[in-house]
Amino acid sequence: AQKITQTQPGMFVQEKEAVTLDCTYDTSDPSYGLFWYKQPSSGEMIFLIYQGSYDQQNATEGRYSLNFQKARKSANLVISASQLGDSAMYFCAMREGRTGRRALTFGSGTRLQVQP
Amino acid sequence: ETGVTQTPRHLVMGMTNKKSLKCEQHLGHNAMYWYKQSAKKPLELMFVYSLEERVENNSVPSRFSPECPNSSHLFLHLHTLQPEDSALYLCASSQDLSVRGKTEAFFGQGTRLTVV
Repeated sequence: AQKITQTQPGMFVQEKEAVTLDCTYDTSDPSYGLFWYKQPSSGEMIFLIYQGSYDQQNATEGRYSLNFQKARKSANLVISASQLGDSAMYFCAMREGRTGRRALTFGSGTRLQVQP
Repeated sequence: ETGVTQTPRHLVMGMTNKKSLKCEQHLGHNAMYWYKQSAKKPLELMFVYSLEERVENNSVPSRFSPECPNSSHLFLHLHTLQPEDSALYLCASSQDLSVRGKTEAFFGQGTRLTVV
C-alpha cells in the first residue's frame, strides 16, 4: 500500500495567487513526521516545511503553510502569493517513529507551474 | 563548501564499466542515504547509513555497492549496470538523533546517470 499519496500530477496557478498541493498518508504509527520538499529542474531537493504528528498547530514557514488534518490523514501544502520561481516538483514525505525507520518515504510528486 | 555535494553531476557509462558516485556532507550529520529517482516514479530509498553502519538495504541489486568510510562521505559503486538503472541518484544526510524529531534530510543535487 502507498504510504504517501499525491493525487495531482500537475497544477497550474497564476502568479500572486495561492495554491494548495494535496498529500494524504497512511500509517498506524502514532508518532510520525511529515515533510514537504521542492525539487527545481536543477535536481536538488529543498526542504520547505515540517509537521509533527503531535504538533497542535499547523506549521508555517514564510509563504508556506501546512494544512494538517490528522483525522483525515492529510497534510496539504499551501503556497501563498505564488512566484514564478515556485515552478518546480513538490514532494510530500513521511518518517514513521515506532518502526525506527530513519529514512523518508516520498510521494510521487506534483509538478507546479506558475503562470505570469 | 557547505551542504551536501555530489560528484559527478552527470555520468554516462556502458554496461560493462565500473564507476563510483561520491557524496560529501559538511553539516556534521551522522546519517546518510542513497535514493534513486526514475522518471514518473517516487523516490526509492536504496541504502541508509547511520554512524557509518549500514542500517537499511532495500533489496537493491548487488550491482550497486555502497561504502561509507566516515560520517562525511558516502560512495555508490556501480558495475555491470543495465539501461533501466538510468536515473537521478540522490544523496542525503540528516542528524539521526531521534526518529520522532524534526530531522529533515538535506539533499545533494544528484548525479544524472545514463547507462548505454
